[in-house]
Amino acid sequence: EDQVTQSPEALRLQEGESSSLNCSYTVSGLRGLFWYRQDPGKGPEFLFTLYSAGEEKEKERLKATLTKKESFLHITAPKPEDSATYLCAVPPRGSTLGRLYFGRGTQLTVWP
Amino acid sequence: GAVVSQHPSWVICKSGTSVKIECRSLDFQATTMFWYRQFPKQSLMLMATSNEGSKATYEQGVEKDKFLINHASLTLSTLTVTSAHPEDSSFYICSAGTSGRDTQYFGPGTRLTVL
Repeated sequence: EDQVTQSPEALRLQEGESSSLNCSYTVSGLRGLFWYRQDPGKGPEFLFTLYSAGEEKEKERLKATLTKKESFLHITAPKPEDSATYLCAVPPRGSTLGRLYFGRGTQLTVWP
Repeated sequence: GAVVSQHPSWVICKSGTSVKIECRSLDFQATTMFWYRQFPKQSLMLMATSNEGSKATYEQGVEKDKFLINHASLTLSTLTVTSAHPEDSSFYICSAGTSGRDTQYFGPGTRLTVL
């Protein structure tokens, strides 16, 4: 069964303490992996799409990477405003364009 | 660009009533819109996919007669929760996408509380 697993469930970092979030997937024939940020009580905000192993994308303090089995979201020198839940999602195998399976997310808290 | 709005942002209703939630793509034409439900501390669960001018495709286990979806134009989709019950209380989020582009853009969500 197609599956998306994120770890850790929760992560507390001190401001400036870099770390990585993990998203592992079992979907074969990956047609894109998506990272979103979600603040409490709000809809997800799009961050990145990765399509092939070895691909990397950056945005401010965030860098997303992709291998054949997993993706990492690296956070460099985080600030309190980076606190949010980070979600990854993949299209299920054989689905029509647009359907996404979401992981449970990693709740990141950055304290001053 | 790629802004999606939802209305209302929150609603409280009595058990047995129906509630309509609107989802609009403000600066692009959305050929496909998606409706998700999110319970506290849970991830997003896709409920249905709707294409403009055609019937929605519901995920397994989602009652199509209870969650009515209409995608009347390229910028508007509505979700009507019929005969709502307390167990329907949740955070409902829509997203929109354009044919040929994989990325979905999400609305801010609607908090539904059924008393």
